[in-house]
Amino acid sequence: ILNVEQSPQSLHVQEGDSTNFTCSFPSSNFYALHWYRWETAKSPEALFVMTLNGDEKKKGRISATLNTKEGYSYLYIKGSQPEDSATYLCAFYNQGGKLIFGQGTELSVKP
Amino acid sequence: GAVVSQHPSWVICKSGTSVKIECRSLDFQATTMFWYRQFPKQSLMLMATSNEGSKATYEQGVEKDKFLINHASLTLSTLTVTSAHPEDSSFYICSARDVQGRNQPQHFGDGTRLSIL
Repeated sequence: ILNVEQSPQSLHVQEGDSTNFTCSFPSSNFYALHWYRWETAKSPEALFVMTLNGDEKKKGRISATLNTKEGYSYLYIKGSQPEDSATYLCAFYNQGGKLIFGQGTELSVKP
Repeated sequence: GAVVSQHPSWVICKSGTSVKIECRSLDFQATTMFWYRQFPKQSLMLMATSNEGSKATYEQGVEKDKFLINHASLTLSTLTVTSAHPEDSSFYICSARDVQGRNQPQHFGDGTRLSIL
C-alpha cells in the first residue's frame, strides 16, 4: 500500500508571510508527483506536475521542488495572500496511471 | 482550459434510493475518467477508473454492484450508487484526463455531497 503523507495538516499564517509544506511519498517506482490547489466549493485545480528529480517549478508566488531519491516535495508560497487560502493536495502518480492522494494541507491566510 | 462538470452538487435522499451522479468533460474528449470518494478528514480515495466503451476497473474493496459506472460516450461518465444506505454518505468527485501521460494533470469536477437519511 502506497502512503502519501502531507504536513502540516493545517496552517494559519498572516498576510505577507511566506510558508511551505511537505509531501512525502515512496521513493521507489516513481513516475510523477502532482500538486493541486482546492478552494472551498470549487474543483481541485492543477498547480504542478513534476517528473524529474531536482525539478523546481514556479507559478507566480508559488513554487515546488522535488526530491525523488528521498521521496519528498516541498510547496512554497511567497508573500501569502488571503486568496491563497485553500487546501493543497499532493498526489503520487503510480505505474498504473492512478493518483494516490495525501490528506492535504489546509492553508488559512488572515489579512 | 479543460473543464469538467459534475452534477448534482448535493443529494439528500432516503435509505434504499439509487442515486446517479454525472461527470461531463465540456471541452475535451475523455477516454478515461476517475471516480473518487472522500470521507471527512481523509484523503481522496480512488474508487474506480471509467473507460469509454468498456467496463470500469474497480479498486480493491469497492463493490462494483453497489457503485455502477457507465462511460457510454467520450464526454460522459455516470456513477450510480444503488440502494444507498447511510454508510454511503460521502463526498464523491470525478476527474478526467484530456491527454494521456504521467506528466498530464487530471481535471476535476466540483464534487457531489451525498447524504443518505
